Amino acid sequence: GAGVSQSPSNKVTEKGKDVELRCDPISGHTALYWYRQRLGQGLEFLIYFQGNSAPDKSGLPSDRFSAERTGESVSTLTIQRTQQEDSAVYLCASSRTTITEAFFGQGTRLTVV
Amino acid sequence: DAKTTQPPSMDCAEGRAANLPCNHSTISGNEYVYWYRQIHSQGPQYIIHGLKNNETNEMASLIITEDRKSSTLILPHATLRDTAVYYCIVRVRGNTPLVFGKGTRLSVIA
Repeated sequence: GAGVSQSPSNKVTEKGKDVELRCDPISGHTALYWYRQRLGQGLEFLIYFQGNSAPDKSGLPSDRFSAERTGESVSTLTIQRTQQEDSAVYLCASSRTTITEAFFGQGTRLTVV
Repeated sequence: DAKTTQPPSMDCAEGRAANLPCNHSTISGNEYVYWYRQIHSQGPQYIIHGLKNNETNEMASLIITEDRKSSTLILPHATLRDTAVYYCIVRVRGNTPLVFGKGTRLSVIA
């Protein structure tokens, strides 16, 4: 596609449920990044992939968060047993390599009620 | 990554140049300076990056001091659509993620 695509754009879930957020990067981009942005806050780095490997998982806030990437393409961010503090916009970005500029999607707005 | 310091907010009159400063006094020799911006409710957008030379593209100019301890992003003719949060990031080019700070909220005023 022309840009980074994220789905769903909005997700409302009940506390305790699991959610999966999807990111389709720009075709051919080997690097993929996930960020979280709480309301009125800055971007919080979660994890990035180089190909299908995740060299840096240091930003994942707890073991309820996991991410995978397959085929050097689509990535899913999974949050298990969601909590209200997980409510945020989750942003995905991709770049052709790790040294070129990153392009961001429009994000998934997650609301945990 | 080295940390950056930016003013929390700035105003600029429409049509005038917007000069956004960034301090990165602990930058190391292999770290680049990147600028991104985030318009309300959108994902961040890449603007420009540089190592030590001044850079210019269709969006902006980046001026880096000779000692590389600070830089300035210049939007030559600000418009209302340039109202956004501007992030200055220093980063080693390679297998490192972009780490965003709090940025500068630029308000362009008619």
